[in-house]
Amino acid sequence: QLQLQESGPGLVKPSETLSLTCTVSGGSISSSSYYWGWIRQPPGKGLEWIGSIYYSGSTYYNPSLKSRVTISVDTSKNQFSLKLSSVTAADTAVYYCARDRWDTAILNWFDPWGQGTLVTVSS
Amino acid sequence: AIWMTQSPSLLSASTGDRVTISCRMSQGISSYLAWYQQKPGKAPELLIYAASTLQSGVPSRFSGSGSGTDFTLTISCLQSEDFATYYCQQYYSFPRTFGQGTKVEIK
Repeated sequence: QLQLQESGPGLVKPSETLSLTCTVSGGSISSSSYYWGWIRQPPGKGLEWIGSIYYSGSTYYNPSLKSRVTISVDTSKNQFSLKLSSVTAADTAVYYCARDRWDTAILNWFDPWGQGTLVTVSS
Repeated sequence: AIWMTQSPSLLSASTGDRVTISCRMSQGISSYLAWYQQKPGKAPELLIYAASTLQSGVPSRFSGSGSGTDFTLTISCLQSEDFATYYCQQYYSFPRTFGQGTKVEIK
C-alpha cells in the first residue's frame, strides 16, 4: 500500500525558506502515470495546490506561488522536496504531499495523501 | 481562472439522511471534477473522480453526478463516519483549484 510521509521543521522565521521532504513507501516514485504534488491548507481554511513534479524532474507550479517555489525529486531515495522562499505569516499552513494522477496530458486528482505537517511562520 | 462555488457551506443532518452537496463552476469543465472527504486533523481522501467514478474502497452510498458547470455529491444514507468536510476540485483548467468546502455536521 502506497504511503507518503512529510518531514521538516515545524517552525520557520519570516523571510526565511521553508523546506519539506516527502518520503514515498510501498511503491516507486518513478511511475510513468503519476506526478507528485504539494498542497497546503491554512488553519481553518481551504486547500491550495502548490506544485507537482515528475520523476524526470518536470515540474508544474501554481502561478500564485511560482516565484517562490522549488520542487525537486530524488529517485534514489524515493523522495521529493518542497522549498518555499521568503515566507510570511500567510504561509502558515498544514502542508500535504500527495500522489498526483497524470492522464491525457493533464494533471488530475490527488490520491493518496500524506498525513500532513503543520508549518508555522513566526519569529 | 475558474471560480468554484460549493454550497451549502454548512449542512446539518442526521444519521440516515440523504444529503447533497453542490459544486458550481464559473465555466464548463466537462467531467474534470473530483470530490474529497476530510475529517478533523486528517488529510483529505479521494472519494470520486471524473465527476461520477467512485474511487476503489469508497462505500457505494457516495455518488457523484453532473457535467459542465453543475456537479453534485450525494450521500444516500448518512452514517456516523460521514460527518466531515467535503471538497470539490476541478482539473480542467490550470491551476487546479478546490471548492471552499462543505462541513456536514450532526443535527
